Amino acid sequence: SQQGEEDPQALSIQEGENATMNCSYKTSINNLQWYRQNSGRGLVHLILIRSNEREKHSGRLRVTLDTSKKSSSLLITASRAADTASYFCATASMIYNQGGKLIFGQGTELSVKP
Amino acid sequence: GAVVSQHPSRVICKSGTSVKIECRSLDFQATTMFWYRQFPKQSLMLMATSNEGSKATYEQGVEKDKFLINHASLTLSTLTVTSAHPEDSSFYICSARDASPSSYEQYFGPGTRLTVT
Repeated sequence: SQQGEEDPQALSIQEGENATMNCSYKTSINNLQWYRQNSGRGLVHLILIRSNEREKHSGRLRVTLDTSKKSSSLLITASRAADTASYFCATASMIYNQGGKLIFGQGTELSVKP
Repeated sequence: GAVVSQHPSRVICKSGTSVKIECRSLDFQATTMFWYRQFPKQSLMLMATSNEGSKATYEQGVEKDKFLINHASLTLSTLTVTSAHPEDSSFYICSARDASPSSYEQYFGPGTRLTVT
């Protein structure tokens, strides 16, 4: 079953604005990852944050992780029309024999208007 | 970077026939591959975990006799949808995990869109 809940489900902003997406999960994790998916295409890995990390940056992306609240957020700064896509969080279990399988959240559909 | 390919990218088949989808890791060895399906406007649902040389582990609710998975080598896993029906129409995505024990990253294929008529 899906573990992650994401909000908002859809987000529409103007170019140049920041976009924040949130993800909550239910069980203990080894790491949490964010992916992007353009319509009808495969997934692109954006960033991975380990359970012992609280914040991570990559270019215009900033990810936070609060393990006490079992939540994460993805911030895209200075958004561009090309950022329009669906964004998914995915959690990797701490349980060794689960072999690193990922459980995906429901996703946030981001639309950036030029 | 690590590349995963899927073949075919798009397939249309008639109800009752079987379809095989290939997932290959092109420049790394993958002891573990994962198969997901995604319905329109929805998230990815993990179907099964495929380990090289052993039987796949299926998620609850996924029929193993309908979705046959074979992982015969460190670079190839196949998913066969047997006796396909229109409700099997979906986007099927595979991912491969690097054999390195310290690597947590999965690399995703571009997906295969299956349409059953």
